[in-house]
Amino acid sequence: ILNVEQSPQSLHVQEGDSTNFTCSFPSSNFYALHWYRWETAKSPEALFVMTLNGDEKKKGRISATLNTKEGYSYLYIKGSQPEDSATYLCAFVMDTGRRALTFGSGTRLQVQP
Amino acid sequence: NAGVTQTPKFQVLKTGQSMTLQCAQDMNHEYMSWYRQDPGMGLRLIHYSVGAGITDQGEVPNGYNVSRSTTEDFPLRLLSAAPSQTSVYFCASSYPRRNTEAFFGQGTRLTVV
Repeated sequence: ILNVEQSPQSLHVQEGDSTNFTCSFPSSNFYALHWYRWETAKSPEALFVMTLNGDEKKKGRISATLNTKEGYSYLYIKGSQPEDSATYLCAFVMDTGRRALTFGSGTRLQVQP
Repeated sequence: NAGVTQTPKFQVLKTGQSMTLQCAQDMNHEYMSWYRQDPGMGLRLIHYSVGAGITDQGEVPNGYNVSRSTTEDFPLRLLSAAPSQTSVYFCASSYPRRNTEAFFGQGTRLTVV
């Protein structure tokens, strides 16, 4: 069983605050790292798929960085809004023939107006 | 665009009953998978398939059966339901070789009494 860890487990911030979360994954046999946004009562939706060491991706106020050599990725949200409230999941894909996604347990973000 | 269609949305079973959760995708994705989501545990992989006729076990396969006779369909069978299988189930599909994100079905909330 692969060890994919996310921290913190939950986060409460005020509207306008910037925040970041961490995803740690095995530093060997890396293939890809995914980030998903998961709102309550909905299905997870992809934010980013990252494949290269040093990758930086951005979508609006949300950005992510990737360090495959040390096995971590950061997700940043600039100027959090109440609609950013959700659980943020990362998923590690190992470089084997099967390429299954192994998810972390997520970071639950609540943004207070 | 249908994407990933998962049924039913809700189900209540008695202990010992069997049932099949249906999952279909219309994106010609080679990879399909089933996850269960339990409080504080993120998404755990039950079974997955890398193509028609090929399935493999994930992290928590016991009590579940799958088959992949076509590219489009990947049903999950509960052979003899147990209260420990009370959970929310998600089906997902993707094309890992193209590094695409996973697309999720709407989820099935299953209660075993």
